[in-house]
Amino acid sequence: DTEVTQTPKHLVMGMTNKKSLKCEQHMGHRAMYWYKQKAKKPPELMFVYSYEKLSINESVPSRFSPECPNSSLLNLHLHALQPEDSALYLCASSPFLDQPQHFGDGTRLSIL
Amino acid sequence: AQSVTQLDSHVSVSEGTPVLLRCNYSSSYSPSLFWYVQHPNKGLQLLLKYTSAATLVKGINGFEAEFKKSETSFHLTKPSAHMSDAAEYFCVVSDPMNRDDKIIFGKGTRLHILP
Repeated sequence: DTEVTQTPKHLVMGMTNKKSLKCEQHMGHRAMYWYKQKAKKPPELMFVYSYEKLSINESVPSRFSPECPNSSLLNLHLHALQPEDSALYLCASSPFLDQPQHFGDGTRLSIL
Repeated sequence: AQSVTQLDSHVSVSEGTPVLLRCNYSSSYSPSLFWYVQHPNKGLQLLLKYTSAATLVKGINGFEAEFKKSETSFHLTKPSAHMSDAAEYFCVVSDPMNRDDKIIFGKGTRLHILP
């Protein structure tokens, strides 16, 4: 069992839908991350939150909108996605920035 | 700027034989280095980390890595491969002096274990 919990595990959505991915950790970590991973590729960093504030936004399209409501929870809101956005979305947390990260098992997203 | 290069995209070894996964890095300062493993349909799991303490780092599942500054390498080894070691392995560099606070992933090495 991973200590970072991501829901849902799988998500299929149309290009006009709005959905959200959820990530939760109860390890007291103050840094949280969203990654996108395509098949047979390494994870690509999307967003980093440190102390619930957005620290890094890697020029991600605005159809992806992150939110960190509290220190345990990280959301990724999705709207008007494109087929090329189909991927595994991984959430991670670490005690602080630059510390080893704990990963969830990801949400497998498919855009029709 | 920092970078990381995993020298082999695929490595195949027989069960019970040694494993060597190679990683070279480039960093302006003293980096933190990590190895992660990813099994199919799973997230990444930390195997071990180097953060300027001992140069020989022991990790989980019998893996270890040696930081060699003169060679800018951080190769991952295991004396005896097990079937359960078959997975994707990522070498990661993080530079705490880098204002961007980014971490950089290598492209990954797929480890195949032959029976």
